[in-house]
Amino acid sequence: NAGVTQTPKFQVLKTGQSMTLQCAQDMNHNSMYWYRQDPGMGLRLIYYSASEGTTDKGEVPNGYNVSRLNKREFSLRLESAAPSQTSVYFCASSRLQGGETQYFGPGTRLLVL
Amino acid sequence: GDSVTQMEGPVTLSEEAFLTINCTYTATGYPSLFWYVQYPGEGLQLLLKATKADDKGSNKGFEATYRKETTSFHLEKGSVQVSDSAVYFCALSVSNTGNQFYFGTGTSLTVIP
Repeated sequence: NAGVTQTPKFQVLKTGQSMTLQCAQDMNHNSMYWYRQDPGMGLRLIYYSASEGTTDKGEVPNGYNVSRLNKREFSLRLESAAPSQTSVYFCASSRLQGGETQYFGPGTRLLVL
Repeated sequence: GDSVTQMEGPVTLSEEAFLTINCTYTATGYPSLFWYVQYPGEGLQLLLKATKADDKGSNKGFEATYRKETTSFHLEKGSVQVSDSAVYFCALSVSNTGNQFYFGTGTSLTVIP
């Protein structure tokens, strides 16, 4: 049982390049989330998907797009990367809404030069 | 709005010392409260949770009690070990916000032998 998996683990981009971060969960969870983690800021929600076919903005959505490809997969896309997007990105999933535990992937470390 | 305020670190303790990490919250509804732990280079793992007032969450010797009267969820452990060295995050989820989590900024703990 792999839980939540993320690819890649580490990526270096140049300003203006695009990339997609992949996330998949095998726990049959309905809800999925993308966070970024920056020093001294904790985790901030970028986008979430409460259920298959729906996505909503979180606290810091600017510069990102998401796709809930199916129940298992939730991708995060940076169309034109900026140095301010240098961060560690975590994907998470939960069974349902409303106080349910979120389970996290191992993270993707992104450096934008 | 909903938020979590967490004790700033870093915290350095000797092995077998008593640990307290303070966490207070502000919530518009009836939150569930969580403590997550992040070991170096890894994602966040659930440490414990409490879903209603006066509940006590516990795991691996850690405890936290949901105190509605003081809006607090302080993390405690009676005797820390070197293996407890990690970053600890307090978080809340309010059911009417689609299971969005609000995280504290994290408290880094180092336990020295």
